Amino acid sequence: GENVEQHPSTLSVQEGDSAVIKCTYSDSASNYFPWYKQELGKRPQLIIDIRSNVGEKKDQRIAVTLNKTAKHFSLHITETQPEDSAVYFCAASIGYSTLTFGKGTMLLVSP
Amino acid sequence: DAGVIQSPRHEVTEMGQEVTLRCKPISGHNSLFWYRQTMMRGLELLIYFNNNVPIDDSGMPEDRFSAKMPNASFSTLKIQPSEPRDSAVYFCASSHGDRAGDIQYFGAGTRLSVL
Repeated sequence: GENVEQHPSTLSVQEGDSAVIKCTYSDSASNYFPWYKQELGKRPQLIIDIRSNVGEKKDQRIAVTLNKTAKHFSLHITETQPEDSAVYFCAASIGYSTLTFGKGTMLLVSP
Repeated sequence: DAGVIQSPRHEVTEMGQEVTLRCKPISGHNSLFWYRQTMMRGLELLIYFNNNVPIDDSGMPEDRFSAKMPNASFSTLKIQPSEPRDSAVYFCASSHGDRAGDIQYFGAGTRLSVL
């Protein structure tokens, strides 16, 4: 089955800095890559996603890049704010609904 | 829409007891997912239903776990007998379709503690 590796497991940045979280996947047939944000004690919520026919997608301060050849994708957050502090999960899907999640990255943004 | 609704929010039980977790998906969604979240293993898919039919239950850890979806608006996850290692947050999620890219919406979760 699919295997998703996520790095780093924790990331501390100063407010205003950029943050980058990286994921690799094992199955070249994967074609959908969402990112979820989970605040402490809350549910995971989708923040951005990308499909395999697109190399990059941006939504305000958040962007995701995909390298199909290398089988890795990354989340980029610019101008980080304290409210960006949360656990971020990447995931991959092969053609149908089920998602395989990475282990998560705890992002801490210090004022 | 109220979103995916799970109950109870918290459950504390003793080892050996039966535990039933409940989920109401978003109206109109035809795919439903049960996940378990722990610090050690992260978010794991337990079982996936499409149109009330179990499609993939390969993530169900053992026979003590069972899940049902008797209709489009209700699903249960049962653990019998429960063990301390079952302590985790259990999430239910639903999506409109069954294709990659159909966004999964998560419920608030049930925090289970087995003593």
